Amino acid sequence: DIQMTQSPSTLSASVGDRVTITCRASQSSSRWLAWYQQKPGKAPKLLIYKASSLQSGVPSRFSGSGSGTEFTLTISSLQPDDFATYYCQQYNSYMYTFGQGTKLEIK
Amino acid sequence: EVQLLESGGGLVQPGGSPRLSCAASGFTFSNYPMSWVRQAPGKGMEWVSTISGSGTNTYYADSVKGRFTISRDNSKNTLFLQMSSLRAEDTAVYYCAKGNDYYVMDVWGQGTTVTVS
Repeated sequence: DIQMTQSPSTLSASVGDRVTITCRASQSSSRWLAWYQQKPGKAPKLLIYKASSLQSGVPSRFSGSGSGTEFTLTISSLQPDDFATYYCQQYNSYMYTFGQGTKLEIK
Repeated sequence: EVQLLESGGGLVQPGGSPRLSCAASGFTFSNYPMSWVRQAPGKGMEWVSTISGSGTNTYYADSVKGRFTISRDNSKNTLFLQMSSLRAEDTAVYYCAKGNDYYVMDVWGQGTTVTVS
């Protein structure tokens, strides 16, 4: 099974900052990589799919990149609504694996 | 508007066999794969199972294989998860999620909580 490792586990940042979260796969996941945002008590929300495609309705300050085993989620200018937990997820032959999550906190 | 509404959670004894349901609306249900994903208290997300749009193909995480069964009724736009031999470690919020053309989960329900105790 492919294992996904996110870094950092926790990230403290301020409104307006540019932040990057990294997700590494234990083996190549091609570009079948998605990013989700989750707020406390709520369901996850799809942000990015196929590594770099922005889901409809998601602000353009979110972007994704990468392929193979290393992927990144970048938020270009943090807004107050962005403080949440972010998960990467890989897909391989109808088997899915999530990263352990990155909690984005207000500095 | 696309909506998913889970039900069937609650307090279950170890070894119990509850069935979760997910009522879908706002899209052509039979055209899309559907999944169950769970989140234990204070923990991350764990994929549980996926079923193809027709219901022909099913897929399971190793942690639930042989104990959980995913199914769907396309005539009633409903997804199911039959759980059995429940253990304490199955305690979690269970979400149903719609798959899109790129195999990712683009719409999620609000979740239903299963507590095994």
